[in-house]
Amino acid sequence: EVQLVESGGDLVQPGGSLRLSCAASGFTFNSYWMHWVRQAPGKGLVWVSRINSDGSIRNYADSVKGRFTISRDNAKKTLDLQMNSLSAEDTAVYYCARLDGGWEGYYFDNWGQGTLVTVSS
Amino acid sequence: QSVLTQPPSVSAAPGQKVTISCSGSSSNIGNNFVSWYQQLPGTAPKLLIYDNNKRPSGIPDRFSGSKSGTSATLDITGLQSGDEADYYCGTWDSSLSAVFGGGTKLTVL
Repeated sequence: EVQLVESGGDLVQPGGSLRLSCAASGFTFNSYWMHWVRQAPGKGLVWVSRINSDGSIRNYADSVKGRFTISRDNAKKTLDLQMNSLSAEDTAVYYCARLDGGWEGYYFDNWGQGTLVTVSS
Repeated sequence: QSVLTQPPSVSAAPGQKVTISCSGSSSNIGNNFVSWYQQLPGTAPKLLIYDNNKRPSGIPDRFSGSKSGTSATLDITGLQSGDEADYYCGTWDSSLSAVFGGGTKLTVL
């Protein structure tokens, strides 16, 4: 069974930093691209970042570029998101999601339960 | 404001059919496959439909998807109270970033 378990969410002051982690199990982690998607309270889903299977390709949404860094450790089967210079607009539940597909389209076939990041003084 | 446009809410009685629309453009839906996600209250999103109209294992055939041009549609037939959730469409844009609709809240009357 595929499992994605996020951790690291917390209350942090504006301008602060936080590191999120996503522990993967039940599948060959180093074969999949992984993504972070966030959801502000009462709002919709917003893509944040992605990393390819070996960690050599990383992309970010414009809203987090230069502040967030995605990384992965395939030996430990973990996905991380280092978040710096946080602002209230970054307050959200952060989900890690596995990307599947390729024959036709791509889609997020498995999601973690999410971890809440609250940026407030 | 979300890249893809969905109605904020839809409602129907148990047993009835509901349709949720998702409108985009040639730079997203028009040139990519669409997926749909169901988010039950207080839970993570769950894949409902992929590649426009395919269902993952375990998703009942009451759920169906389609795409035409720059729009996509999710149909749910035989509505049940357990279908009350937020539904999101998703696809990719020209920079291969994921884009989502704003979500549609389904109420089963």
